[in-house]
Amino acid sequence: EAQVTQNPRYLITVTGKKLTVTCSQNMNHEYMSWYRQDPGLGLRQIYYSMNVEVTDKGDVPEGYKVSRKEKRNFPLILESPSPNQTSLYFCASSTLAGGRDFLDNEQFFGPGTRLTVL
Amino acid sequence: RKEVEQDPGPFNVPEGATVAFNCTYSNSASQSFFWYRQDCRKEPKLLMSVYSSGNEDGRFTAQLNRASQYISLLIRDSKLSDSATYLCVARSYNTDKLIFGTGTRLQVFP
Repeated sequence: EAQVTQNPRYLITVTGKKLTVTCSQNMNHEYMSWYRQDPGLGLRQIYYSMNVEVTDKGDVPEGYKVSRKEKRNFPLILESPSPNQTSLYFCASSTLAGGRDFLDNEQFFGPGTRLTVL
Repeated sequence: RKEVEQDPGPFNVPEGATVAFNCTYSNSASQSFFWYRQDCRKEPKLLMSVYSSGNEDGRFTAQLNRASQYISLLIRDSKLSDSATYLCVARSYNTDKLIFGTGTRLQVFP
């Protein structure tokens, strides 16, 4: 089954304790991205990656790191989480087919990770 | 002003009703538009793309009005299973990003 998986699905942690949220896709997609979703703000992009070893900042990258060592995996790292990073996080992937118009391709989202930082 | 704006709702409609949502966008450089559906506490899923000439997929019709900078989603013969939040998404041509609206919640009751 084609899917994007995220782990953990739920996490409660404390300020400053480093954590990693994993994301994996089995569709051989080149493009992967992380979003956070907050009430009244919609989905906002944190980081994205066009391919292995190629990552770039989205709209709200502060406090986050990512890596793309393998095509299928795109972990999100919070080195020192703070309460304002409490949110619902989604990983997404898509193909780069279409060249310049690749963002017209369907984005496949993972099931989400609900993070609470105390 | 938000780049993509939606009425948050909720829209409470009986089964069988026709309901329409509008979404406005502020960036005239927006190139492509989509509707995603998000069930409560679940991930967004693509419902349909929005084409310039308007397009239909079963009970769903999407339309684009570039002059007034809005897109719409019409749902005919609403089903209980249509209850969800509908996200309006615009792709900005000059910044190459997807901009998500905050969503419009639909609740269909028996």
